[in-house]
Amino acid sequence: ETGVTQSPTHLIKTRGQQVTLRCSSQSGHNTVSWYQQALGQGPQFIFQYYREEENGRGNFPPRFSGLQFPNYSSELNVNALELDDSALYLCASSLDARGGSDTQYFGPGTRLTVL
Amino acid sequence: GEDVEQSLFLSVREGDSSVINCTYTDSSSTYLYWYKQEPGAGLQLLTYIFSNMDMKQDQRLTVLLNKKDKHLSLRIADTQTGDSAIYFCAEKSGGGADGLTFGKGTHLIIQP
Repeated sequence: ETGVTQSPTHLIKTRGQQVTLRCSSQSGHNTVSWYQQALGQGPQFIFQYYREEENGRGNFPPRFSGLQFPNYSSELNVNALELDDSALYLCASSLDARGGSDTQYFGPGTRLTVL
Repeated sequence: GEDVEQSLFLSVREGDSSVINCTYTDSSSTYLYWYKQEPGAGLQLLTYIFSNMDMKQDQRLTVLLNKKDKHLSLRIADTQTGDSAIYFCAEKSGGGADGLTFGKGTHLIIQP
């Protein structure tokens, strides 16, 4: 059974650019959630996708957007990058968001640095 | 709004028990989780507890939940150097699609 994978591992961008981060969910999982973890903080919920539809969103502006594909892999897109977007971006997959525990399994993360 | 609070640091001697505490505010929390994060890595799920349970034990880990006081603790027996990490408490509210709410994490420091 393959765990959650993310790419790339590290990324450096400049202010105003756009970035796409990718996540492959764990085998059999149909729900993907994205989190932003700033240095020294806990992860903050960005949004969740369930069967290719956005299923909930945290307090992030519209320039944070996402997609989920038929194989349940997912992308996080961030437009007009700002310095404060520098963080570790974590993807988590779960078996079924509509179920009980929605136990989420995390990938290793993508470290984004905005200069 | 939802809030999860944790102490920032805990220092224990190798071989002792570690107890990491967490308080939360959302009375509709259904599941509560403990995750471990090592430097430069993602989050590893350690254990979780349903809100109608008081205790859950899994090998060296014991989770205690006091729902009245909204207090959660994680006890690690026989703490080893490999347990050195940041431990996050997280809650999931009833009704599902809001993601997990995390605390800021507790740095567990192991003294030889």
